[in-house]
Amino acid sequence: AQSVSQHNHHVILSEAASLELGCNYSYGGTVNLFWYVQYPGQHLQLLLKYFSGDPLVKGIKGFEAEFIKSKFSFNLRKPSVQWSDTAEYFCAVSTNAGKSTFGDGTTLTVKP
Amino acid sequence: EAGVAQSPRYKIIEKRQSVAFWCNPISGHATLYWYQQILGQGPKLLIQFQNNGVVDDSQLPKDRFSAERLKGVDSTLKIQPAKLEDSAVYLCASSSIRADTSTDTQYFGPGTRLTVL
Repeated sequence: AQSVSQHNHHVILSEAASLELGCNYSYGGTVNLFWYVQYPGQHLQLLLKYFSGDPLVKGIKGFEAEFIKSKFSFNLRKPSVQWSDTAEYFCAVSTNAGKSTFGDGTTLTVKP
Repeated sequence: EAGVAQSPRYKIIEKRQSVAFWCNPISGHATLYWYQQILGQGPKLLIQFQNNGVVDDSQLPKDRFSAERLKGVDSTLKIQPAKLEDSAVYLCASSSIRADTSTDTQYFGPGTRLTVL
């Protein structure tokens, strides 16, 4: 069975600081990788995804993530965070069987 | 395009009572998911439908939980009887890609927050 680990439960940053949220997964086969975001009071929504090709994926609002197959990692990055990035971030993995597994999330608080 | 609709948004019941949640996916989306999200944890997949067939229900507590998607469109999730540990947000999501291709970007509804007293 696959699993997803997000190492940071709560991250607090000041505006303009750089962000990196860790995500590691365990699964021996081919995976698709996702980052979802939930802003306060809103639904979970897709931030970015990796299926194949260039391991550096760019998403909405200046976010990007890099798939490093040898490390089973898919870390999320943003060079300069804004107060509006305050949200909960979930890493997710889906397998060829279509089964999805989510991490426990990282709460990001950006101080103005 | 309308999003995934869920009702009710909130529900408070006492243990041993029954409760049902409803989900209407995005029009044309063949795959529908029900997740349970306990406070402080990520969404946990309960059941996944492809049209009106079950693809995965390995984590559904079948002694008390049931779900159906009779016409391949909307779906209901039922808990009978509820336990204290069922307190959670129940999320419905849908995707337009076949479950077996795994290229499944999911679109989530607002969730139903269940409190069991």
